[in-house]
Amino acid sequence: EDQVTQSPEALRLQEGESSSLNCSYTVSGLRGLFWYRQDPGKGPEFLFTLYSAGEEKEKERLKATLTKKESFLHITAPKPEDSATYLCAVQGGSEKLVFGKGMKLTVNP
Amino acid sequence: GAVVSQHPSWVICKSGTSVKIECRSLDFQATTMFWYRQFPKQSLMLMATSNEGSKATYEQGVEKDKFLINHASLTLSTLTVTSAHPEDSSFYICSAQTPGGAYQPQHFGDGTRLSIL
Repeated sequence: EDQVTQSPEALRLQEGESSSLNCSYTVSGLRGLFWYRQDPGKGPEFLFTLYSAGEEKEKERLKATLTKKESFLHITAPKPEDSATYLCAVQGGSEKLVFGKGMKLTVNP
Repeated sequence: GAVVSQHPSWVICKSGTSVKIECRSLDFQATTMFWYRQFPKQSLMLMATSNEGSKATYEQGVEKDKFLINHASLTLSTLTVTSAHPEDSSFYICSAQTPGGAYQPQHFGDGTRLSIL
């Protein structure tokens, strides 16, 4: 059974304080690992797709990396507007997205 | 690009009524759409996969007679919660898969908060 574990569950940072979010996964035949951002009361917003170990993608202050067992979402010099819940999901041979519980990030000014 | 609209965003109704939720892909055609349910501080749980022109595929434990799904066009899928009861109260979110294969990202609507009194 495909599984995704995100840690920590919640993280508080000061503005400008860089950090990383972890997503550990087990999947039968990884087809893709997806990162989403979700604001309260909203649906997830697509950020990145990673398809193979060693792949990296960047978007503004965010950088996602992938190994065979985990993915990291690095946040460089975060701003208060980066506060949100970040979701990690994997897609394996079943073609279904399996989500983690998410990581709530709060960036204080 | 890749905008998905979901309507309504909030529904409050009495127990026993049926509620229809619409999911539209606004700027792309989606042969496959998905319906999820999300409980507070929990993962998104896939309820069903909706394919245009064919019957939906439901996940184990999801009652197909309670959660009716119709995907009548390449831009519209609907979820009808029939004879809703308080335990059906939840946050329902749809997604549409961008064209280009089964491993393209899904793009999500903003969800529907359903409250059954």
